Amino acid sequence: SQQGEEDPQALSIQEGENATMNCSYKTSINNLQWYRQNSGRGLVHLILIRSNEREKHSGRLRVTLDTSKKSSSLLITASRAADTASYFCATGSGNTGKLIFGQGTTLQVKP
Amino acid sequence: EAGVVQSPRYKIIEKKQPVAFWCNPISGHNTLYWYLQNLGQGPELLIRYENEEAVDDSQLPKDRFSAERLKGVDSTLKIQPAELGDSAVYLCASRGREGDTQYFGPGTRLTVL
Repeated sequence: SQQGEEDPQALSIQEGENATMNCSYKTSINNLQWYRQNSGRGLVHLILIRSNEREKHSGRLRVTLDTSKKSSSLLITASRAADTASYFCATGSGNTGKLIFGQGTTLQVKP
Repeated sequence: EAGVVQSPRYKIIEKKQPVAFWCNPISGHNTLYWYLQNLGQGPELLIRYENEEAVDDSQLPKDRFSAERLKGVDSTLKIQPAELGDSAVYLCASRGREGDTQYFGPGTRLTVL
C-alpha cells in the first residue's frame, strides 16, 4: 500500500518558471525524502528532511515539512527542460530504513 | 563509485515461464531492497535484506516469487510461473549503514505476454 498522495498528478510549465509539488501522508514519520525518476530509469535521491526540520534547501530545490498537517512540498525554482521527470515523495519511519512511496507527480518543463 | 547494477534491463517472456532478475548493490551496502513499480505508480517494497537475512518480506507473493541473497552481496529475485499481471518494472536499491538514503538501480522492465 502507498502512504502518500501527491498533488498535482501532472504539472506542465515553461522553462524558467517555478514548480511546486505537494505530498501528504498518513502516519507519523522519521523523515521524508524526494526522489526523481526520468523516463525508463531508476530513482535518484534529491533531498531528505527529518521530522524535526521544517525547511531544507539544496541548489534549486526547497523542501518544506509540516508534521502537524502531515504534508510536504517540493519547490523547484527556475526550472529547466532537464527537470522533466516524475517526482516521488517517500516517508521513512522507525529505524528499518523502509520507505513508502507516493504515486508521484509528472513534471513537464517546456523549453 | 559504481552504482547499483541490475540485469537484465528488459525481459519479455510468455506467461507461465520463469524469470529471474539480478542485482548487485553498492559495495559495502548491507541493506538491499527489491521494489515493484507499476506504470504510473510509485515503487512498492517486495522484500528487504539486512546482509543475507530477509527481514521484511511481508509484501512478497510467496506462491510465485522468491528471492535470495546468499552471501549478503548480490541478490536474485525470481518469479515462477509469471503471470500477465507481473508486467512491471522491478527495482533494486541499497542503503549503507549510515544514513537513510536509498540508491536505486535502473530497474528491469518485465513484459509478460
